[in-house]
Amino acid sequence: GESVGLHLPTLSVQEGDNSIINCAYSNSASDYFIWYKQESGKGPQFIIDIRSNMDKRQGQRVTVLLNKTVKHLSLQIAATQPGDSAVYFCAEKSRVGSNYKLTFGKGTLLTVNP
Amino acid sequence: GAGVSQSPSNKVTEKGKDVELRCDPISGHTALYWYRQRLGQGLEFLIYFQGNSAPDKSGLPSDRFSAERTGESVSTLTIQRTQQEDSAVYLCASSARTSAYTQYFGPGTRLTVL
Repeated sequence: GESVGLHLPTLSVQEGDNSIINCAYSNSASDYFIWYKQESGKGPQFIIDIRSNMDKRQGQRVTVLLNKTVKHLSLQIAATQPGDSAVYFCAEKSRVGSNYKLTFGKGTLLTVNP
Repeated sequence: GAGVSQSPSNKVTEKGKDVELRCDPISGHTALYWYRQRLGQGLEFLIYFQGNSAPDKSGLPSDRFSAERTGESVSTLTIQRTQQEDSAVYLCASSARTSAYTQYFGPGTRLTVL
């Protein structure tokens, strides 16, 4: 799985399978998390977010799970399609002084095989 | 509607030259962010503007990097005396005050320093 500080991991799945992308975050005070999808040559696109008072949130074909005990976040993609091939980043909202910023992980490359 | 736009899309320059990268945020978005993304890597935060507040420059890697933003409009990232290690994709994102942590990204500017 992904964590800030690790090299870009990869995940290869067959079309139609479910995909699970993992992310470990470091700041236990983080209260908001986002998953982004970045296709080749494009900027990241927002997929889904979750606040720390939730354990699970579902979108269209995607589900984000948050385990605050072990500081772990996952993105589940149901019935993965070739168009899902991209780099997926998790981001956590953290406080820096009087400001807040998003800190991004290094991403996971998802490859969907037809 | 119009998203975040960036120009140029590609920039090739010689070592030692100055470059300016432009970002047009989504209209009405008060916050604007610059990130750097090296090949195969995650997003590295550079600078953050929020309305008329003093910008958060904590991510700028050296004094060769600077950015400006006039009000809640266009921003320019300037890199002086470019070095080969500055080669990367520079991404701009903006967010609305009401959803400050959902950032919408532009397509990026790919900078190559020869």
